[in-house]
Amino acid sequence: NAGVTQTPKFQVLKTGQSMTLQCAQDMNHEYMSWYRQDPGMGLRLIHYSVGAGITDQGEVPNGYNVSRSTTEDFPLRLLSAAPSQTSVYFCASRRTGKGEQYFGPGTRLTVT
Amino acid sequence: ELKVEQNPLFLSMQEGKNYTIYCNYSTTSDRLYWYRQDPGKSLESLFVLLSNGAVKQEGRLMASLDTKARLSTLHITAAVHDLSATYFCAVDRRYSGGGADGLTFGKGTHLIIQP
Repeated sequence: NAGVTQTPKFQVLKTGQSMTLQCAQDMNHEYMSWYRQDPGMGLRLIHYSVGAGITDQGEVPNGYNVSRSTTEDFPLRLLSAAPSQTSVYFCASRRTGKGEQYFGPGTRLTVT
Repeated sequence: ELKVEQNPLFLSMQEGKNYTIYCNYSTTSDRLYWYRQDPGKSLESLFVLLSNGAVKQEGRLMASLDTKARLSTLHITAAVHDLSATYFCAVDRRYSGGGADGLTFGKGTHLIIQP
């Protein structure tokens, strides 16, 4: 199993550009989520999904969209990038809503 | 709103010493998670504590959970340089239906162990 994979590893965007961060898992997990990590802030939940076709907002959802058309994939879209979205983004999955979360390797995003 | 507080946030210690990291959280929860993060890397799961009184040990690390006090501890015994990392505790967020929607993390404890 590859576990949770994310692409790209690094990305630089200009303010106003849009892009999609990819996340995939091969563990047949129902729950998937996106976090951002900023220095001194720990990780904060952006959006999550409890299964294909079901998504909802987390703690810091503004400026981001998600969709979940398959169990395996959970892409995160930045609609119009802003410097405040400079961060490291982690995708995670868990089998149910009660178990251990597994994290992907992260995407380091810089918005200039 | 669920809050998770870790202390200390920074810790520099010498090899061979013992120390404890504390994690307090503000709402009732019977599950708590500890993660390790090395610089530039992802989060590695260390412990999953699933009930009051749970204690788990792996090598020089031992974690415990007291749900009544809303407190978890991560104890380091006879520290070695390889344990230098940032340690996070996390608690399940809101419950709805089958489970939580994600984790709320503490800000992390940056641990430096000097030879």
